[in-house]
Amino acid sequence: AQKITQTQPGMFVQEKEAVTLDCTYDTSDQSYGLFWYKQPSSGEMIFLIYQGSYDEQNATEGRYSLNFQKARKSANLVISASQLGDSAMYFCAMREAGYGNNRLAFGKGNQVVVIP
Amino acid sequence: GAVVSQHPSWVICKSGTSVKIECRSLDFQATTMFWYRQFPKQSLMLMATSNEGSKATYEQGVEKDKFLINHASLTLSTLTVTSAHPEDSSFYICSARPPTGEPNTEAFFGQGTRLTVV
Repeated sequence: AQKITQTQPGMFVQEKEAVTLDCTYDTSDQSYGLFWYKQPSSGEMIFLIYQGSYDEQNATEGRYSLNFQKARKSANLVISASQLGDSAMYFCAMREAGYGNNRLAFGKGNQVVVIP
Repeated sequence: GAVVSQHPSWVICKSGTSVKIECRSLDFQATTMFWYRQFPKQSLMLMATSNEGSKATYEQGVEKDKFLINHASLTLSTLTVTSAHPEDSSFYICSARPPTGEPNTEAFFGQGTRLTVV
């Protein structure tokens, strides 16, 4: 069964506007971590933000914030004040404490294109 | 932050030859590294988990004899694509994380290797 679901089609975002990328997850663990990565066309995976399952507050890192709704099992990424350099693929991932070797399970990704 | 270096960043090889890709953790020891494969416009698919000093653990459907993994030291894992064919052309990327045991420790990724088999 798919653990991470990202279903939005490619998105065009106006520069300086905010964009929300949806991510839902499936786990029976109580302890897990949720991650967002950015992958530009160069291919590198850039870590953006982390949310732990026991964290009571939503994580924030600069222009990135994570809207964590544990009961709904969603961990949406919000990018504020979009910049042209934000154009990339964005992947949501989950690490379960009980998942062998603490490896990450990735969603299919969201394509974001920021337009001037 | 911790750095993972992957080499080469791109390689073109002839069908039937073998290609070795290196993944190094530069400032931490990684007893476990992960190898992913990514097709264009798709997600990262875990191929195998590389364990220092022991055999790699392969995901279902990944050919062990095709994708040889060696993790001979705490800072180096290698992936060798043996007898490469055009269908092996893909983006391969490795990851590792410092063994702090904390669940919030991010996984650090190499730069990736774009393999083209002609």
